[in-house]
Amino acid sequence: QKEVEQNSGPLSVPEGAIASLNCTYSDRGSQSFFWYRQYSGKSPELIMSIYSNGDKEDGRFTAQLNKASQYVSLLIRDSQPSDSATYLCAVMGAAGNKLTFGGGTRVLVKP
Amino acid sequence: DAEITQSPRHKITETGRQVTLACHQTWNHNNMFWYRQDLGHGLRLIHYSYGVQDTNKGEVSDGYSVSRSNTEDLPLTLESAASSQTSVYFCASSESSSGGYNEQFFGPGTRLTVL
Repeated sequence: QKEVEQNSGPLSVPEGAIASLNCTYSDRGSQSFFWYRQYSGKSPELIMSIYSNGDKEDGRFTAQLNKASQYVSLLIRDSQPSDSATYLCAVMGAAGNKLTFGGGTRVLVKP
Repeated sequence: DAEITQSPRHKITETGRQVTLACHQTWNHNNMFWYRQDLGHGLRLIHYSYGVQDTNKGEVSDGYSVSRSNTEDLPLTLESAASSQTSVYFCASSESSSGGYNEQFFGPGTRLTVL
């Protein structure tokens, strides 16, 4: 069983809709959770970090964390074609500092 | 502005050759990491360092080595390149802090091809 799981997609959403991405993790002691966006041929770019249960909003992005159920999600509101990318979920375990990445979810936003 | 750079950006080498990939950061971060990214495997940690003279093995460290002689640089060496090491390599860095609030920032990557 992978430590961090994501649906590989592609997740196809129409422009202006909400894209919902999910991520589950196995280490109950995990403390910090991150979402990275990666365009094809580019490096991962940090877009959200979340450390406590609940929602965290930043512009059109909302991260949601539920430690009891061991999942973290990312919502992209008013999706734009420029949001088309692969979104990587990353989890920092109890030991700290090291990240474990999921395989990524590819998102396609269609005009 | 602070940044993290990698060189070369593209490298073609032959099986058996020693190759060194450079990573330089001006964030003054203590933590530095090397990952490889392959289709079907995602990002996997090769080696990491929490400070000068500190190095640690990640999940896919066989055939790779690193050394940390200063805060800014963590070069990655492939001792004897193999075709299985054809990949995209990313360097990342983060601050040291307790409680796990350590956001990692990535360099632009090096695409390595081993023929």
